[in-house]
Amino acid sequence: DAGITQSPRHKVTETGTPVTLRCHQTENHRYMYWYRQDPGHGLRLIHYSYGVKDTDKGEVSDGYSVSRSKTEDFLLTLESATSSQTSVYFCAISEADRGRNIQYFGAGTRLSVL
Amino acid sequence: GNSVTQMEGPVTLSEEAFLTINCTYTATGYPSLFWYVQYPGEGLQLLLKATKADDKGSNKGFEATYRKETTSFHLEKGSVQVSDSAVYFCALSDRETSGSRLTFGEGTQLTVNP
Repeated sequence: DAGITQSPRHKVTETGTPVTLRCHQTENHRYMYWYRQDPGHGLRLIHYSYGVKDTDKGEVSDGYSVSRSKTEDFLLTLESATSSQTSVYFCAISEADRGRNIQYFGAGTRLSVL
Repeated sequence: GNSVTQMEGPVTLSEEAFLTINCTYTATGYPSLFWYVQYPGEGLQLLLKATKADDKGSNKGFEATYRKETTSFHLEKGSVQVSDSAVYFCALSDRETSGSRLTFGEGTQLTVNP
């Protein structure tokens, strides 16, 4: 158990509303990631963080923002949700800061934008 | 840029059949290669990995060999079980890319029938 908790696990929202997903880790890892999973695309990186207040864009970052004010929490925000953002979102942490290039994943958040 | 290509699914096998899921990659550096597995309703779990050419990763009866000459990392298992039914993802991490980000293939759905 890599100590990763995502909340909420399920959410239904309407187009145009803001949505924030939370990822919480208990292992004090430096690197954290947000991916989205869609059929036919595997997982695609949205944003990642390499420390408190240090974040960078992934390959599908448009329409998303992130924040990391504490080591343990990495927030993903959809400022104005669209139907194309209906997806399953996964948070991950990496042990790269401890010499092991392995990522561990949370259980996911299923988001539906109506 | 980096990319991973997996054989198209879904794959349906009978119990005790031999499994091969093909994975090829393109990378600018010297990547580490991974297979992740996702059981229904869960996040991804690391199945096995290899960090350099000719390395063989193995776990739970699954094996994959890092073939630099063919840029491949095919997943094999000699005798599948019903409990192996899941989605399998091939992925790479390029050490030259900051943040140890993962690039995933599309995923291959495996169903094993009794």
